Amino acid sequence: DAGVTQSPTHLIKTRGQHVTLRCSPISGHKSVSWYQQVLGQGPQFIFQYYEKEERGRGNFPDRFSARQFPNYSSELNVNALLLGDSALYLCASSFRGGPSYEQYFGPGTRLTVT
Amino acid sequence: DQQVKQNSPSLSVQEGRISILNCDYTNSMFDYFLWYKKYPAEGPTFLISISSIKDKNEDGRFTVFLNKSAKHLSLHIVPSQPGDSAVYFCAASNPGNTPLVFGKGTRLSVIA
Repeated sequence: DAGVTQSPTHLIKTRGQHVTLRCSPISGHKSVSWYQQVLGQGPQFIFQYYEKEERGRGNFPDRFSARQFPNYSSELNVNALLLGDSALYLCASSFRGGPSYEQYFGPGTRLTVT
Repeated sequence: DQQVKQNSPSLSVQEGRISILNCDYTNSMFDYFLWYKKYPAEGPTFLISISSIKDKNEDGRFTVFLNKSAKHLSLHIVPSQPGDSAVYFCAASNPGNTPLVFGKGTRLSVIA
């Protein structure tokens, strides 16, 4: 079975632009979580969606938004990009609704904001 | 304020010896702890977990120990192999529908 997939793998954007990152969960998984990993830090929780509903939100500004589609894939949108948004964005899927436990991570999207 | 701390950014161990990675936490409400391993250009991979009702969990070469009174957990890898070279993240969660809180990671290098 295919694991969690994310697209694109790399992205370069300019300050002020917006970006959309995509994630497809493992087949049968209904929960998707998004994490931001800045260089030298651990992943930091951004959002969790389960059955197309937001179940959790981390301490991120409103420039960050996400949604989950009927096929359980998900998008993360970031508006008005700042240099500090440069990071690896990780998507994780799980079968159960909680964002904890047995999360399977994708390879991430490396976003560079210049 | 970091709730999960991995104070050693890096660790170097000889092949065949034991690797011990440490993690401290400050939130006494955490009830579930996990270790993830991350290779470059890949997402973190779940390694092993432990519930707060246990003090030890073993899976092959990997053992996690939990000392709740000290708010400390450790991951032991015996014997260490070159393929274990990666960044290891400690993570914790509160009861219920709460997100994982990660430490900054420890880079393990196993030298042949």
